[in-house]
Amino acid sequence: EPEVTQTPSHQVTQMGQEVILRCVPISNHLYFYWYRQILGQKVEFLVSFYNNEISEKSEIFDDQFSVERPDGSNFTLKIRSTKLEDSAMYFCASSEAGTGSSYEQYFGPGTRLTVT
Amino acid sequence: KNEVEQSPQNLTAQEGEFITINCSYSVGISALHWLQQHPGGGIVSLFMLSSGKKKHGRLIATINIQEKHSSLHITASHPRDSAVYICAPGSYNTDKLIFGTGTRLQVFP
Repeated sequence: EPEVTQTPSHQVTQMGQEVILRCVPISNHLYFYWYRQILGQKVEFLVSFYNNEISEKSEIFDDQFSVERPDGSNFTLKIRSTKLEDSAMYFCASSEAGTGSSYEQYFGPGTRLTVT
Repeated sequence: KNEVEQSPQNLTAQEGEFITINCSYSVGISALHWLQQHPGGGIVSLFMLSSGKKKHGRLIATINIQEKHSSLHITASHPRDSAVYICAPGSYNTDKLIFGTGTRLQVFP
């Protein structure tokens, strides 16, 4: 069964460093998402991406964050200068088409980011 | 007021019991998603529904659009059902899901 994959599973970085989290969505999916979950808190939407551009972003997704689909398979989240409060589990998701919330979203296993 | 309220927050059950988890939301939705988060953190989509009722194995999800309420039921619960169950409405003309805080379910043998 097709699945969303994410690498790395765990990333430790120092404050101020840049990190890139990688995702490979399901191959025929057109909508891609990043969510994050701070330990002990609920999952929060960061950004959605369709047709090679951001379709929606949350207040959390400020200038420190960027997303890219550098080739036909990868979808990346970059944090330019990490802060302690960026420590969280980051989930990538993808869905087939349409307005995303009307389609089932398939989640990757997550990348745990620890900023020290 | 939170846009999504789930109850209960924590639930323990004996194997075999019938489980109900409730979700109330305040936004207009295009669809409501029920998700399961395993102890390791992974998230699995269980249901997406915009009306009525859906069933998959021992899981049943219902939604009442007029009352802005949805329920997830588990029949004949089993220890492997232990997880966090999350209600996540998707509002009109948006891509994002709005996540509830989740219901932590523990089923004991």
